[in-house]
Amino acid sequence: NAGVTQTPKFRILKIGQSMTLQCAQDMNHNYMYWYRQDPGMGLKLIYYSVGAGITDKGEVPNGYNVSRSTTEDFPLRLELAAPSQTSVYFCASTTAQGATGELFFGEGSRLTVL
Amino acid sequence: AQSVSQHNHHVILSEAASLELGCNYSYGGTVNLFWYVQYPGQHLQLLLKYFSGDPLVKGIKGFEAEFIKSKFSFNLRKPSVQWSDTAEYFCAVNAGNNRKLIWGLGTSLAVNP
Repeated sequence: NAGVTQTPKFRILKIGQSMTLQCAQDMNHNYMYWYRQDPGMGLKLIYYSVGAGITDKGEVPNGYNVSRSTTEDFPLRLELAAPSQTSVYFCASTTAQGATGELFFGEGSRLTVL
Repeated sequence: AQSVSQHNHHVILSEAASLELGCNYSYGGTVNLFWYVQYPGQHLQLLLKYFSGDPLVKGIKGFEAEFIKSKFSFNLRKPSVQWSDTAEYFCAVNAGNNRKLIWGLGTSLAVNP
């Protein structure tokens, strides 16, 4: 099994550009999450989803959008990229038990906005 | 508001030294507790977890953690660290069967050979 797959692994954007970070999981997990990780700041939740068609904001949703049209995929869209969005982004998933279960993380996507 | 505190932000040890990383949370009800580890350049992975039962839980690679309810703590321990334990360690709490985990800021551990 591939687990949680994120693409791209690295990307450089110019200010104002848009892009989508892809996340796919093959474990039939209902719960999926997008986090950003900045040095010394831990993990900040951007958006999460408890199932196809259902999404909700986390701690730091501004400047991002998500969709969940299938159980497997949970793309994160950055509109009008800003330097403050330079970060490492992690997608994670877990079972229908939600946050009581083990989170499985992708390898991360390192985004630089110049 | 619920929160998780990890007291040590940076820890430097020599190989074979003992390790204890502190984690405290603020929530009075039922909690599920986790320690995750992130090795350099890698994604986070589960080290150990506590849901119920024996408050001393064993994880991978010789790590263990003790849940002390009266102190709202879930400290991570290892009797003898190795160079390969160099990583960032995150404590996380699920409070009240919420849909989201509450994360600590992480502790960076460097083990010198």
